[in-house]
Amino acid sequence: DIVMTQSPDSLAVSLGERATINCKSSQSILYNSNNKDYVAWYQQKPGQPPKLLISWASTRESGVPERFSGSGSGTDFTLTISSLQAEDVAVYFCQQYYSSPHTFGQGTELEIK
Amino acid sequence: VQLVQSGAAVKKPGESLTISCEASGYDLDNYWITWVRQKPGKGLEWLGKIDPTDSYTDYNPSFQGHVTISTDNSISTSFLRWTSLRASDSAIYFCARLRARVGDRGPFDIWGQGTRVVVSS
Repeated sequence: DIVMTQSPDSLAVSLGERATINCKSSQSILYNSNNKDYVAWYQQKPGQPPKLLISWASTRESGVPERFSGSGSGTDFTLTISSLQAEDVAVYFCQQYYSSPHTFGQGTELEIK
Repeated sequence: VQLVQSGAAVKKPGESLTISCEASGYDLDNYWITWVRQKPGKGLEWLGKIDPTDSYTDYNPSFQGHVTISTDNSISTSFLRWTSLRASDSAIYFCARLRARVGDRGPFDIWGQGTRVVVSS
């Protein structure tokens, strides 16, 4: 199984500041035939299902604010929130869909400092 | 486009249970359905997925043989079934649509609201 490891486990950032969450996969999730990284980022608020923010490492979903961006390739990925807003308080998960089983990172809890 | 799941369930160990996930706003045949477990205060665990066109399934080995995923395309619904529940099955279960350009690999773009399952004697 591919292990997805996120860092940090929790993060406190001031409003308007940048938040950065990292995700490392135990093996490359870059599919060479199409040069795409099979990784997604989800946001989960209390009492809600996860919400897809980013797919293919850097493609933002329709309706997701531009302050959310994804980057990285191969085994190292990053979710960046450029200017933290109060509504961004949530747990964030990365996930690989390169191979089965489709594993998730353990989650990063983001709060306001 | 939405997935609507069945309500919470309270069961005893050893009992059977089937929870459902009804798709609306799109054709169930066009996307795989996947199921994810979340224990209280914990992360997300992938159980498996199903291709509604032919009912081909792919399970996480950690759950293979303990859960069964199926669909009934006539009612645009997917099901997750246990024949013998354990206390450790207590969790919230989410269904999600797997958006794949080709094949069976892609992000989970639409999620159900979740079904809470409590297994206790």
